[in-house]
Amino acid sequence: EIVLTQSPATLSVSPGERATLSCRASQSVSSHLAWYQQKPGQAPRLLIYNATNRATGVPARFSGSGSGTDFTLTISSLETEDFAVYYCHQRHYRRTFGQGTRAEIK
Amino acid sequence: QVRLQESGPGLVKPSGTLSLTCDVSGDSITTPNTWWAWVRQPPGKGLEWIGEIYHVGYTNYNPSLESRVTTSIDISKNQFSLTLRSVTAADTAVYFCARLNNVFFYFDFWGQGILVTVSS
Repeated sequence: EIVLTQSPATLSVSPGERATLSCRASQSVSSHLAWYQQKPGQAPRLLIYNATNRATGVPARFSGSGSGTDFTLTISSLETEDFAVYYCHQRHYRRTFGQGTRAEIK
Repeated sequence: QVRLQESGPGLVKPSGTLSLTCDVSGDSITTPNTWWAWVRQPPGKGLEWIGEIYHVGYTNYNPSLESRVTTSIDISKNQFSLTLRSVTAADTAVYFCARLNNVFFYFDFWGQGILVTVSS
């Protein structure tokens, strides 16, 4: 099983600040990684696929980078609606999710 | 707009069988290269992939659940289903159905989720 480890577990950020979330895979997943946003009581929402591509309708302030084992989701300037839990997900071999990073208001 | 809706019992007894159905609208369940999936989330915890199915019957399952899981598709009703046998309290979770995009193969549309509690 490919284990995805996300850091930090919780990110305290002020609105308008930049947020950087990390996802590390236990073995290479090439670029087969996605990021999802989940708000309380809602289903996850696809933000980024294949490491760097924004999904339809996702604002440009969200960007993804990385390949192999190390990946980053960057939110350039956090808006209040961005405070949520973020999960990375690999489809390189079977499918697994990271444990999530919670972005909370500082 | 693609919509998915889970349905099924919200309470299942230990050692029993969990059965859920996902109704799909706005897309055909036979769309080429589109797979249909189940993901679950225990209360307050993260996401776990359960498995996925293609309309001709191909399936992929999480190895940790494979011995207890079956998925199926009903083309005439444009829906797919999940069966999880021999459930325990550890199977208590919100169960989501989702579509796997037929180009990049990630979950792009989700149902709202249904809470299934395993308890006597």
